[in-house]
Amino acid sequence: KQEVTQIPAALSVPEGENLVLNCSFTDSAIYNLQWFRQDPGKGLTSLLLIQSSQREQTSGRLNASLDKSSGRSTLYIAASQPGDSATYLCAALNAGNNRKLIWGLGTSLAVNP
Amino acid sequence: DAGVIQSPRHEVTEMGQEVTLRCKPISGHNSLFWYRQTMMRGLELLIYFNNNVPIDDSGMPEDRFSAKMPNASFSTLKIQPSEPRDSAVYFCASSPPAVNTGELFFGEGSRLTVL
Repeated sequence: KQEVTQIPAALSVPEGENLVLNCSFTDSAIYNLQWFRQDPGKGLTSLLLIQSSQREQTSGRLNASLDKSSGRSTLYIAASQPGDSATYLCAALNAGNNRKLIWGLGTSLAVNP
Repeated sequence: DAGVIQSPRHEVTEMGQEVTLRCKPISGHNSLFWYRQTMMRGLELLIYFNNNVPIDDSGMPEDRFSAKMPNASFSTLKIQPSEPRDSAVYFCASSPPAVNTGELFFGEGSRLTVL
């Protein structure tokens, strides 16, 4: 059974710092892994989707990597800004799981000015 | 595009009352998902539809919960009777027709409080 874990649960950094958010999954048979952002009181916004055949995806200051053999994905945020403060969730779509995403509980990020 | 639209945004009700949550997916999307989010359990998939047909409802907690999708542009999630433990944020999400990419577009959620 797939389980997704995100560590740390919360992170506070000063503005301008480069940071890494971690996501671990137990079953490497995945179709893709996705990173989402959730602002307080809002829905989730898809940031990056990495297919199982890919190693990384980039969008602006964000870079997500995928290592299926070790069951890990990381989200790298360069030159963090206060506007990056949010909860970041990762979710794995299992092979054969009929489009059911398995979610981590998220990392709550605070970027302090 | 207006995105996924959910209503109501907030609902406060008393135990035993019926609650109906509504969702309008993005036009052209053929998959629709209902999620529940709580602090303790995070995001849980309740049910999802593909081309208006329920595919997996194994996440629906019990018979008090029901969901319908009468057409491609509308879905409801009903709780009857509601209980305090149903208090949560309920999200609707839709996905375009693309095999196994799984990219989801979320609404802003309906925050339910059952007293």
